[in-house]
Amino acid sequence: EAQVTQNPRYLITVTGKKLTVTCSQNMNHEYMSWYRQDPGLGLRQIYYSMNVEVTDKGDVPEGYKVSRKEKRNFPLILESPSPNQTSLYFCASSLNRDEKLFFGSGTQLSVL
Amino acid sequence: AQRVTQPEKLLSVFKGAPVELKCNYSYSGSPELFWYVQYSRQRLQLLLRHISRESIKGFTADLNKGETSFHLKKPFAQEEDSAMYYCALSRGSGAGSYQLTFGKGTKLSVIP
Repeated sequence: EAQVTQNPRYLITVTGKKLTVTCSQNMNHEYMSWYRQDPGLGLRQIYYSMNVEVTDKGDVPEGYKVSRKEKRNFPLILESPSPNQTSLYFCASSLNRDEKLFFGSGTQLSVL
Repeated sequence: AQRVTQPEKLLSVFKGAPVELKCNYSYSGSPELFWYVQYSRQRLQLLLRHISRESIKGFTADLNKGETSFHLKKPFAQEEDSAMYYCALSRGSGAGSYQLTFGKGTKLSVIP
């Protein structure tokens, strides 16, 4: 089944403890991106990637890192999480810019 | 900078009544515009995009460049239309600027 898979679904951590949220797609998509969803703020783009080894900042990149070493994977890294990064995170992919986005099921992160 | 504005956080309509979800944007170039929908307990998914000029589940949206709007309309609301709706704008300038900006979303509630 064609899909975007995120792990974990839920994560509780403490301030400063590095974490990685994984994202994988099996559709050979070029474009992948990360969003965070917060009440009243909607979806905000964190980072995106146009292809392997090509990434760029979205609207809210501070405190996050990404890498795209393989086409199918696009992990989101929080080197030193802080409570203001508590949010619902979505990964998405699409064939290219003009095609529809396929979203993952989300990762609810709580930073204490 | 690009911006997407959805002025209504919540819109309630009766079943069978017309629906219009407003979306205004600001962007100096030629935008690509989308509507995404999130039903309860489901992933975000594409509803429609302006370049395809299609009608999905009875919804249509016309890009009005003069008014910089991309309102979503449906003549007769159904209960299953109750969901969160996001308008989104994509821009691409030159080599791979794939930044995608979402509005804050409008929650549509269809009253039986």
